Amino acid sequence: DAGVIQSPRHEVTEMGQEVTLRCKPISGHDYLFWYRQTMMRGLELLIYFNNNVPIDDSGMPEDRFSAKMPNASFSTLKIQPSEPRDSAVYFCASSFGGYGNEQFFGPGTRLTVL
Amino acid sequence: KQEVTQIPAALSVPEGENLVLNCSFTDSAIYNLQWFRQDPGKGLTSLLLIQSSQREQTSGRLNASLDKSSGRSTLYIAASQPGDSATYLCAVEGNNRLAFGKGNQVVVIP
Repeated sequence: DAGVIQSPRHEVTEMGQEVTLRCKPISGHDYLFWYRQTMMRGLELLIYFNNNVPIDDSGMPEDRFSAKMPNASFSTLKIQPSEPRDSAVYFCASSFGGYGNEQFFGPGTRLTVL
Repeated sequence: KQEVTQIPAALSVPEGENLVLNCSFTDSAIYNLQWFRQDPGKGLTSLLLIQSSQREQTSGRLNASLDKSSGRSTLYIAASQPGDSATYLCAVEGNNRLAFGKGNQVVVIP
Protein backbone atom coordinates (compact mmCIF):
# COMPACT_ATOMS: atom_id res chain seq x y z
CA ASP A 1 0.00 0.00 0.00
CA ALA A 2 1.19 3.53 -0.74
CA GLY A 3 0.27 4.79 2.70
CA VAL A 4 -1.69 7.96 3.40
CA ILE A 5 -1.33 10.39 0.52
CA GLN A 6 -1.61 14.14 0.93
CA SER A 7 -1.52 16.91 -1.64
CA PRO A 8 -0.13 19.39 -2.15
CA ARG A 9 3.03 18.91 -0.08
CA HIS A 10 3.63 22.64 0.03
CA GLU A 11 1.23 25.51 -0.44
CA VAL A 12 2.00 29.21 -0.42
CA THR A 13 -0.92 31.56 -0.71
CA GLU A 14 -1.91 35.10 0.07
CA MET A 15 -4.18 36.15 2.88
CA GLY A 16 -7.83 35.96 1.90
CA GLN A 17 -7.41 33.18 -0.63
CA GLU A 18 -9.16 29.83 -0.41
CA VAL A 19 -6.97 26.84 0.35
CA THR A 20 -7.92 23.20 -0.18
CA LEU A 21 -5.86 20.36 1.25
CA ARG A 22 -6.44 16.81 0.09
CA CYS A 23 -6.02 13.39 1.65
CA LYS A 24 -6.33 9.82 0.46
CA PRO A 25 -6.40 7.38 3.39
CA ILE A 26 -5.10 3.84 3.36
CA SER A 27 -7.54 1.55 1.60
CA GLY A 28 -9.79 -0.27 4.07
CA HIS A 29 -9.30 2.18 6.91
CA ASP A 30 -12.56 3.45 8.36
CA TYR A 31 -11.26 6.38 10.41
CA LEU A 32 -9.68 9.55 9.07
CA PHE A 33 -8.14 12.33 11.15
CA TRP A 34 -6.98 15.86 10.31
CA TYR A 35 -4.30 17.42 12.53
CA ARG A 36 -2.47 20.73 12.56
CA GLN A 37 1.09 21.16 13.83
CA THR A 38 2.67 24.46 14.87
CA MET A 39 5.71 25.28 16.94
CA MET A 40 3.61 27.05 19.54
CA ARG A 41 0.78 24.57 19.99
CA GLY A 42 2.28 21.30 18.78
CA LEU A 43 -0.03 18.74 17.15
CA GLU A 44 -3.74 19.32 17.52
CA LEU A 45 -6.67 17.28 16.30
CA LEU A 46 -8.98 19.31 14.09
CA ILE A 47 -11.63 16.78 13.09
CA TYR A 48 -12.11 13.08 12.56
CA PHE A 49 -14.43 10.94 10.45
CA ASN A 50 -15.74 7.44 10.86
CA ASN A 51 -17.10 5.77 7.74
CA ASN A 52 -17.10 9.15 5.98
CA VAL A 53 -19.20 10.80 8.72
CA PRO A 54 -17.71 13.65 10.79
CA ILE A 55 -17.72 12.55 14.42
CA ASP A 56 -15.88 15.28 16.32
CA ASP A 57 -15.09 18.67 14.85
CA SER A 58 -14.56 20.45 18.15
CA GLY A 59 -10.93 21.09 17.23
CA MET A 60 -11.78 23.10 14.13
CA PRO A 61 -10.60 26.59 15.06
CA GLU A 62 -13.38 28.60 13.48
CA ASP A 63 -15.95 28.74 10.71
CA ARG A 64 -13.30 29.49 8.13
CA PHE A 65 -12.31 25.83 8.35
CA SER A 66 -14.39 23.04 6.85
CA ALA A 67 -13.74 19.39 6.10
CA LYS A 68 -15.54 16.87 3.96
CA MET A 69 -15.23 13.20 3.19
CA PRO A 70 -17.40 12.45 0.14
CA ASN A 71 -16.23 8.83 -0.03
CA ALA A 72 -13.99 6.34 1.73
CA SER A 73 -10.94 7.22 -0.34
CA PHE A 74 -10.91 11.01 -0.27
CA SER A 75 -11.13 13.89 2.17
CA THR A 76 -10.58 17.63 1.93
CA LEU A 77 -9.80 20.34 4.44
CA LYS A 78 -10.71 23.80 3.22
CA ILE A 79 -9.78 27.19 4.66
CA GLN A 80 -11.72 30.16 3.36
CA PRO A 81 -10.57 32.89 3.70
CA SER A 82 -7.03 32.01 4.78
CA GLU A 83 -5.09 34.11 7.29
CA PRO A 84 -1.37 34.24 8.18
CA ARG A 85 -2.05 32.53 11.52
CA ASP A 86 -3.25 29.47 9.61
CA SER A 87 0.34 28.82 8.53
CA ALA A 88 1.22 25.35 9.81
CA VAL A 89 1.78 21.77 8.74
CA TYR A 90 -1.50 19.91 8.27
CA PHE A 91 -1.46 16.14 8.65
CA CYS A 92 -3.98 13.57 7.65
CA ALA A 93 -4.00 10.16 9.35
CA SER A 94 -6.10 7.04 9.02
CA SER A 95 -6.69 3.93 11.05
CA PHE A 96 -8.76 0.78 11.08
CA GLY A 97 -11.03 0.68 14.10
CA GLY A 98 -10.36 4.17 15.37
CA TYR A 99 -8.82 5.07 18.67
CA GLY A 100 -6.87 2.35 20.40
CA ASN A 101 -5.49 1.29 17.06
CA GLU A 102 -2.41 2.52 15.27
CA GLN A 103 -2.85 5.69 13.27
CA PHE A 104 -0.90 6.01 10.03
CA PHE A 105 0.12 9.53 9.12
CA GLY A 106 0.61 11.16 5.77
CA PRO A 107 3.67 13.32 5.00
CA GLY A 108 1.77 16.51 5.67
CA THR A 109 1.05 19.72 3.79
CA ARG A 110 3.13 22.74 4.75
CA LEU A 111 0.88 25.79 4.38
CA THR A 112 2.25 29.31 4.31
CA VAL A 113 -0.19 32.21 4.20
CA LEU A 114 1.44 35.52 3.38
CA LYS B 1 -8.30 19.08 29.38
CA GLN B 2 -5.43 16.62 29.03
CA GLU B 3 -1.98 18.26 29.07
CA VAL B 4 1.02 16.29 27.83
CA THR B 5 4.53 17.48 28.62
CA GLN B 6 7.85 16.27 27.27
CA ILE B 7 11.07 17.48 28.81
CA PRO B 8 13.68 18.30 27.66
CA ALA B 9 12.60 19.78 24.36
CA ALA B 10 15.96 18.90 22.82
CA LEU B 11 18.93 16.75 23.73
CA SER B 12 22.14 15.42 22.22
CA VAL B 13 23.85 12.16 23.12
CA PRO B 14 26.96 10.42 21.83
CA GLU B 15 26.45 7.31 19.75
CA GLY B 16 26.16 4.16 21.82
CA GLU B 17 24.62 5.80 24.87
CA ASN B 18 21.16 4.82 26.04
CA LEU B 19 18.42 7.39 25.44
CA VAL B 20 15.78 8.12 28.06
CA LEU B 21 12.82 10.27 27.05
CA ASN B 22 10.14 11.30 29.49
CA CYS B 23 6.46 12.10 29.02
CA SER B 24 4.00 13.27 31.66
CA PHE B 25 0.25 13.76 31.45
CA THR B 26 -2.26 15.37 33.75
CA ASP B 27 -5.33 13.12 33.45
CA SER B 28 -4.74 9.47 34.35
CA ALA B 29 -8.06 8.37 32.80
CA ILE B 30 -6.43 7.33 29.55
CA TYR B 31 -7.20 4.59 27.06
CA ASN B 32 -3.65 4.16 25.82
CA LEU B 33 -0.35 5.94 25.23
CA GLN B 34 1.63 5.99 22.03
CA TRP B 35 5.16 7.01 21.12
CA PHE B 36 5.77 8.36 17.63
CA ARG B 37 8.87 9.30 15.70
CA GLN B 38 8.91 12.31 13.36
CA ASP B 39 11.70 12.99 10.90
CA PRO B 40 12.17 16.52 9.49
CA GLY B 41 9.60 17.29 6.81
CA LYS B 42 7.90 13.95 7.26
CA GLY B 43 4.84 12.55 8.95
CA LEU B 44 4.67 10.55 12.14
CA THR B 45 5.61 6.91 12.49
CA SER B 46 4.12 4.94 15.35
CA LEU B 47 6.80 3.24 17.45
CA LEU B 48 4.98 1.70 20.39
CA LEU B 49 1.44 1.63 21.73
CA ILE B 50 0.80 0.80 25.39
CA GLN B 51 -2.75 -0.02 26.42
CA SER B 52 -3.87 1.42 29.76
CA SER B 53 -3.82 -2.06 31.32
CA GLN B 54 -0.20 -2.63 30.35
CA ARG B 55 2.97 -1.47 32.10
CA GLU B 56 5.37 -1.62 29.18
CA GLN B 57 5.95 -2.51 25.54
CA THR B 58 9.13 -3.49 23.77
CA SER B 59 10.21 -3.48 20.15
CA GLY B 60 13.84 -4.20 19.34
CA ARG B 61 16.00 -1.56 21.01
CA LEU B 62 12.93 0.38 22.14
CA ASN B 63 11.14 -0.05 25.44
CA ALA B 64 8.32 2.12 26.72
CA SER B 65 6.89 2.03 30.21
CA LEU B 66 3.62 3.43 31.52
CA ASP B 67 2.71 4.45 35.06
CA LYS B 68 -0.87 5.66 34.86
CA SER B 69 -1.20 6.55 38.51
CA SER B 70 1.69 8.98 38.39
CA GLY B 71 0.88 10.17 34.86
CA ARG B 72 4.23 9.21 33.38
CA SER B 73 5.74 7.27 30.52
CA THR B 74 9.37 6.70 29.60
CA LEU B 75 10.81 5.69 26.26
CA TYR B 76 14.19 3.94 26.40
CA ILE B 77 16.31 3.54 23.29
CA ALA B 78 19.26 1.25 23.89
CA ALA B 79 22.66 1.79 22.27
CA SER B 80 21.63 4.87 20.31
CA GLN B 81 22.67 5.26 16.68
CA PRO B 82 22.89 8.34 14.43
CA GLY B 83 19.82 7.02 12.62
CA ASP B 84 17.84 7.50 15.84
CA SER B 85 18.14 11.27 15.40
CA ALA B 86 14.57 12.55 15.13
CA THR B 87 11.80 14.11 17.17
CA TYR B 88 9.93 11.73 19.45
CA LEU B 89 6.33 12.52 20.34
CA CYS B 90 4.23 11.09 23.11
CA ALA B 91 0.45 10.96 22.63
CA VAL B 92 -2.23 10.04 25.14
CA GLU B 93 -5.65 8.79 24.11
CA GLY B 94 -8.65 9.65 26.21
CA ASN B 95 -12.14 11.03 25.60
CA ASN B 96 -11.89 9.85 21.99
CA ARG B 97 -8.99 12.09 21.11
CA LEU B 98 -5.21 11.93 21.05
CA ALA B 99 -3.37 14.63 23.01
CA PHE B 100 0.21 15.12 21.90
CA GLY B 101 3.25 16.46 23.67
CA LYS B 102 5.49 18.85 21.77
CA GLY B 103 8.22 16.27 21.43
CA ASN B 104 11.83 15.58 22.34
CA GLN B 105 14.22 16.54 19.54
CA VAL B 106 17.09 14.06 19.69
CA VAL B 107 20.48 14.28 18.02
CA VAL B 108 22.81 11.28 18.25
CA ILE B 109 26.39 12.37 17.67
CA PRO B 110 28.59 9.89 15.80
